[in-house]
Amino acid sequence: DAKTTQPNSMESNEEEPVHLPCNHSTISGTDYIHWYRQLPSQGPEYVIHGLTSNVNNRMASLAIAEDRKSSTLILHRATLRDAAVYYCILRDVLGANNLFFGTGTRLTVIP
Amino acid sequence: DSGVTQTPKHLITATGQRVTLRCSPRSGDLSVYWYQQSLDQGLQFLIQYYNGEERAKGNILERFSAQQFPDLHSELNLSSLELGDSALYFCASSPRWRDSYNEQFFGPGTRLTVL
Repeated sequence: DAKTTQPNSMESNEEEPVHLPCNHSTISGTDYIHWYRQLPSQGPEYVIHGLTSNVNNRMASLAIAEDRKSSTLILHRATLRDAAVYYCILRDVLGANNLFFGTGTRLTVIP
Repeated sequence: DSGVTQTPKHLITATGQRVTLRCSPRSGDLSVYWYQQSLDQGLQFLIQYYNGEERAKGNILERFSAQQFPDLHSELNLSSLELGDSALYFCASSPRWRDSYNEQFFGPGTRLTVL
């Protein structure tokens, strides 16, 4: 699977929007962009995924650049519960089925 | 609650020993994945089973083995344990074998401490 690059850490104030960036310049046409997060002392949990178009769900929005070489996970109003490590993962529909976790972005939410 | 259960929650053992970690996938999920999370290596994929058969292998040591039973629960066996095997072990499940565009559901993990 192609690699992703994320900032090691970010901070946000509570109730403000958060934009978590991810670069994936070597993305292939069959790569889906997935985001997972891991809350403290818990297993990872799925957040959102997309292929080409922007996606919204109850947890977040995913904005995908037109050339697909980068994407941004958007949390519309950060809460203390959103403090976690966020992982941007590329998954090739033709490739391995497992998730490859990089180092992710540690999000700190300030009350 | 993801619907994936793992037992035990914590396990403390000594070097050289053998342990078994257990995972029950979400109802209806046929694929089970095992991941290891250590401080120096991060989250790494170990192995995947689908409907009782091994489907993919990652960075799994020869001292480690897994199986998936007819009722779809899975066990990860770790033997000749070393200090470096201390880690969190997560199980995840998904409905199908190839689920590159669907999510995996993770259990709460088993924390293994080798003394």
